[in-house]
Amino acid sequence: NAGVTQTPKFRILKIGQSMTLQCTQDMNHNYMYWYRQDPGMGLKLIYYSVGAGITDKGEVPNGYNVSRSTTEDFPLRLELAAPSQTSVYFCASTGGMAYEQYFGPGTRLTVT
Amino acid sequence: GNSVTQMEGPVTLSEEAFLTINCTYTATGYPSLFWYVQYPGEGLQLLLKATKADDKGSNKGFEATYRKETTSFHLEKGSVQVSDSAVYFCALVSGGYQKVTFGIGTKLQVIP
Repeated sequence: NAGVTQTPKFRILKIGQSMTLQCTQDMNHNYMYWYRQDPGMGLKLIYYSVGAGITDKGEVPNGYNVSRSTTEDFPLRLELAAPSQTSVYFCASTGGMAYEQYFGPGTRLTVT
Repeated sequence: GNSVTQMEGPVTLSEEAFLTINCTYTATGYPSLFWYVQYPGEGLQLLLKATKADDKGSNKGFEATYRKETTSFHLEKGSVQVSDSAVYFCALVSGGYQKVTFGIGTKLQVIP
């Protein structure tokens, strides 16, 4: 199993550009999550999904969109990138009740 | 809402010293509690967990006991190594959708 994979690893965007962060898991997990990690701020939940076709907002959803057309994939879309979106983005998945979350290696995004 | 409070750090220890990282929580219902570790440049990975009161989670010499009466889940290790240098996150899951509430993370530096 590859676990949770994310692409790209690094990206630099100009203000106003758009991009999609890719996330794929091969563990057949129903629950998937997107977090952002800012220095000294821990992890903040952006969006989550409890299964294909079902998504919901987390704590900091503004400026982002998601879709979940398959169990495996959960892409995160940034529209009109802003410097405040400079962060490290982590995708995670879990199989259910009290199970650990499995994290991808992260995408480091800089918006200038 | 749910919350997790942990010391911010950084915590600097000499090799073979005793480690304690405090974690307290506020949650509705009966949460499951976790410690995650993040090594430089990587995603988070589960270190240990406890799913009910008085449970002790342990892994790689680390231990934490779920104390419902004090709403705490302190992380301990008897003798730290340089390889333990990382950021440690306390976390809880309570309620539906397996959403995790993370603490801000405590950076540990172990010097030879």
